[in-house]
Amino acid sequence: EVQVVESGGGLVQPGGSLRLACEVSGFTCSNYWMHWVRQVPGKGLVWVSRINSDGSSTNYADSVKGRFTISRDNGKSTLYLQMNSLRAEDTAVYYCATGRGTYISSWFDCWGQGTLVTVSS
Amino acid sequence: DIVMTQSPDSLAVSLGERATINCKSSQSILYNSNNKNYLAWYQQKPGQPPKLLIYWASTRESGVPDRFSGSGSGTDFSLTISSLQAEDVAVYYCQQYYSSPHTFGQGTKLESK
Repeated sequence: EVQVVESGGGLVQPGGSLRLACEVSGFTCSNYWMHWVRQVPGKGLVWVSRINSDGSSTNYADSVKGRFTISRDNGKSTLYLQMNSLRAEDTAVYYCATGRGTYISSWFDCWGQGTLVTVSS
Repeated sequence: DIVMTQSPDSLAVSLGERATINCKSSQSILYNSNNKNYLAWYQQKPGQPPKLLIYWASTRESGVPDRFSGSGSGTDFSLTISSLQAEDVAVYYCQQYYSSPHTFGQGTKLESK
């Protein structure tokens, strides 16, 4: 059975840091390129970041560029999102998603359950 | 960035009836070299992550019931549920993957009447 499981969310003060993790197991979902997508509760979906199969290429939404860093450890089948200088507007459920298609043109075929990040004093 | 606009924002359809959700992109997402439309559709139920329904605008994901179909080209697309079932009540999103950043529509809430 395919599983995509995020962890690491929680409450953090503005300016603080958190590291999210996402472990992918099973073989049904493509796992060459991975993405983070976030969703403010009750609102829409927003793409955050992506990384290619070996971690050599990464891209970010303008809203998080310079503050967030995506990385992966293929030996552990785990994706990470290091989030620094967090702002109230970063409050959201963060989903890890596997991408299918190509690295620069992906749709998202498998999603984790999400982890809630709350930035508040 | 390509802006994706869905209509309507919410929709109430009787069980067994047809439901159609529209999605319009601010520029064409048809790639001429392969004649493919770079559009996907997702279904999200309360408390759950999105679920992929359709990609390449009209290709149904494995395991998705055939009452779900996607159509359209260029800038105008539709998701149709031919006969609404109770389990189809959800929010539906379109997403373009033609260019970065990949962007989603604002969502359409589908309810049963």
